[in-house]
Amino acid sequence: DTGVSQDPRHKITKRGQNVTFRCDPISEHNRLYWYRQTLGQGPEFLTYFQNEAQLEKSRLLSDRFSAERPKGSFSTLEIQRTEQGDSAMYLCASSDDRGNQPQHFGDGTRLSIL
Amino acid sequence: AQKVTQAQTEISVVEKEDVTLDCVYETRDTTYYLFWYKQPPSGELVFLIRRNSFDEQNEISGRYSWNFQKSTSSFNFTITASQVVDSAVYFCALSEDTGGFKTIFGAGTRLFVKA
Repeated sequence: DTGVSQDPRHKITKRGQNVTFRCDPISEHNRLYWYRQTLGQGPEFLTYFQNEAQLEKSRLLSDRFSAERPKGSFSTLEIQRTEQGDSAMYLCASSDDRGNQPQHFGDGTRLSIL
Repeated sequence: AQKVTQAQTEISVVEKEDVTLDCVYETRDTTYYLFWYKQPPSGELVFLIRRNSFDEQNEISGRYSWNFQKSTSSFNFTITASQVVDSAVYFCALSEDTGGFKTIFGAGTRLFVKA
C-alpha cells in the first residue's frame, strides 16, 4: 500500500492549453474522487467513480472538464482550453466501498495558468 | 442541501494550551457521516475521525477529542495540550448516505501553535 499518488505534482501552462492529470488510487479501493482546492478554501467535490462508472458530477465540472477511469484502476482528469480560473490544487482521493468510508488523499496536482 | 460551516478562519495558541475548533453542519438527511481531516503544511489531507449520525457518543483519542451534538448540529474538535506539530489546517466534512458519497468540506480552520 503506497497510498494515493498523483502526477504531475505541478503543472504550469498557458491559457487555452489542454492539461491532463493522473491519479493512482490505493489498489484495493473501488471508489475514486476528484476535488479542487483553491487557496484558503476546503476541497470542492468534482466527481467520483465506483470502479469504472462515473456516478456523480458536480455542477462545478463544466464541459471543459472530463474524467475517466477506464479499467477501474487509475483515473485521469482532463481540462480543455484552460482558463485563469482553473488555477488550483486538484486532489484525488480513494476509499473502499463499504458504506461511507474515510477517503485517503494524494498530494495533489497544483495547476498554474499563465 | 448540505453545508458545513467552520466559522473560525484562524486560531493562534501557545503550546500546551487547549483549543477547540468549531464545526456546524446542515443536512436534511437522517443518516449522514461527519469527518475531520488535517492538512499540514506539506499539503496532504489526513483523515482523523468519522462519526455517523446515530452515534452521538463523544470520542477521545490521545490529545484529541470530539463532541458531536445533533441538537445543535455541531461536531467540535478539541486538542488538549497543543503542540507545535498540531499546526495545520483542519477541515470538517459531511457526507449524506443518500448523496452518493459526495463529501462536502468546510472552509477549514488554520491553527497556529507557537512554542
